[in-house]
Amino acid sequence: AQTVTQSQPEMSVQEAETVTLSCTYDTSENNYYLFWYKQPPSRQMILVIRQEAYKQQNATENRFSVNFQKAAKSFSLKISDSQLGDTAMYFCAFMLGSGSGYALNFGKGTSLLVTP
Amino acid sequence: SQTIHQWPATLVQPVGSPLSLECTVEGTSNPNLYWYRQAAGRGLQLLFYSVGIGQISSEVPQNLSASRPQDRQFILSSKKLLLSDSGFYLCAWISRVRTEAFFGQGTRLTVV
Repeated sequence: AQTVTQSQPEMSVQEAETVTLSCTYDTSENNYYLFWYKQPPSRQMILVIRQEAYKQQNATENRFSVNFQKAAKSFSLKISDSQLGDTAMYFCAFMLGSGSGYALNFGKGTSLLVTP
Repeated sequence: SQTIHQWPATLVQPVGSPLSLECTVEGTSNPNLYWYRQAAGRGLQLLFYSVGIGQISSEVPQNLSASRPQDRQFILSSKKLLLSDSGFYLCAWISRVRTEAFFGQGTRLTVV
């Protein structure tokens, strides 16, 4: 089974600063996908960024970027120029690249608070 | 475009009562469908998934069951709710090309 670990239950950052959320995962597979989801107080799950394991280049989406270290099984999320609207729970998730179920396995989440 | 509907949004049920949460998907055929539960302050736990009509896989033993009577309909049920069934339930559909998972709005269930 694949496991996802987020070691930071809570984090805080000042507006306009940069913050990095950590995520590690465990798998023996070589073909998989990694995701970061944001869950604001509305509890709607919003995709922030995704990374295919076969791609060496780190994914970026505007102020969000990842540091994907496949050998270390690490997938951290960097948020630049933090905004108040970034306050939310952030979940790291793993999905196998094959298999009929290919469910998303989530970490326990990191609660991020952006302060003025 | 694909959309996913989940209802009801909130539900308060007494212990021992039955449960039925419904999820439907539009804009796609033969989707893989999933039920997750999020307990207070915790991550998302996969409960059930379905790769087709009548095909249900359970990830954890529990008081709940799931059914898929139609291609784009996924139902989460219980015959008798327990206090421990309280939580936030999310239905999801994952695209075949695995670009992302699409989530419903969620159901906040409180068992009293």
